[in-house]
Parts: sequence; C-alpha cells; structure tokens
Amino acid sequence: AQSVSQHNHHVILSEAASLELGCNYSYGGTVNLFWYVQYPGQHLQLLLKYFSGDPLVKGIKGFEAEFIKSKFSFNLRKPSVQWSDTAEYFCAVNAPSASGGGADGLTFGKGTHLIIQP
Amino acid sequence: AAGVIQSPRHLIKEKRETATLKCYPIPRHDTVYWYQQGPGQDPQFLISFYEKMQSDKGSIPDRFSAQQFSDYHSELNMSSLELGDSALYFCASSLGGSNQPQHFGDGTRLSIL
Repeated sequence: AQSVSQHNHHVILSEAASLELGCNYSYGGTVNLFWYVQYPGQHLQLLLKYFSGDPLVKGIKGFEAEFIKSKFSFNLRKPSVQWSDTAEYFCAVNAPSASGGGADGLTFGKGTHLIIQP
Repeated sequence: AAGVIQSPRHLIKEKRETATLKCYPIPRHDTVYWYQQGPGQDPQFLISFYEKMQSDKGSIPDRFSAQQFSDYHSELNMSSLELGDSALYFCASSLGGSNQPQHFGDGTRLSIL
C-alpha cells in the first residue's frame, strides 16, 4: 500500500513570498500524483496532477509541481503567494490497478495548513 | 459546469441509528468514490465503484455498505452509527481509470449525538 508524507503541517508566509510545500510518497510501482486545495468550509479542488511525461506540471492559480522519481517527491511551488491562497493543501497518490481502468482510491497526506498574512 | 451533488448537506443522527448518504456524479462520469474526513484529518478512502461494480475498497467499516445504481448515482448506507462516525463524507466522481482526476462534492456533514 502507498503512503504520503507532508512534512510541513503549518506554514505562515507573507504575501508575495515564494512557496514550496513538500510531499513524499512511499510506493514501489507506478503512481499518479495529485495536489488538492481545500478552502475553509469547502470541498477539495484539484490544483494539478501528474500521470506521466514532463515531470514539471503546471496547474491552476499559478501553482506548479515537480515529480522527482529518484526522491519519491512531488513538491508544490508558487513563486508569489496571495492572501487568497490561505487554505489546506493535500498531496495525494493512487496506484493504477494492474488490470487498468480501475477506480483506485486516493491516499492523502495529512495536509499542510497555509496561512498568508497580508 | 455541473458538479458532484451530495445530499443531504447536513445530517444529525443518534447512536445505533442508520443513515443513507447520496451522491450524484458529474454527467457522463461512470466512477464514484467515497471518502471520510474527520475533524482536522485528511480524507480517508472508503470505497469506489466503476460502471456499477465495486472497484476498490479502503478503510470502510463492515457496518457501512454502498452501491452504484444504473443512473450512476451512489448511496452510502451506514448502520449502527457510533460517535466516531461523526465526520464529513465526501463523494468524488471521475471518468473511468485511475489516471483521471477525481472531482469532489461539497460533502455531507454527519453528526452523531
């Protein structure tokens, strides 16, 4: 079974600061990688995803993430954060089933609570 | 754009009662997932369905069951409710395949008194 570690549980930044949230996963096979954001009282929204190809993926709202296979990492970055980025950020993975076409559930990290100070 | 619809939004039950949560996926999505998120916790995967068949199973208690119907909506049935079942229950839908992003609903907040 796969597991996900998010090392930063709480991050406080000022507006315009650069952001990097760490995510490491544990699984020996092929994985799909995701970052979701959850604004207070709202549902999870997909920021970006990686399945294959270019390891640097760009998502919505200026976020990007880099998949480094040798480090089992998928860190989320944003060059300049805004107050509206205050939210909970979850890294998630799933492992495609051997038969393909499956509906494999996501394994989430514990989340990082990001607070942006104006 | 149409999103995942969950009902009810809030539900209050007492211990040992039963509850049924409903999920209506995005049109043309054939896959449904259920997750449980306790207060301040990460979402925990419960179960998923693809084309009306159970596909993957996570940490779903034996007291819970779920199914996907011919119109692709899904219901999560919970019996003998316990205080620890109080949580936010999310449904997500996608097109078939693990490499398809899952789109989440607003959740049902279940409170057990």
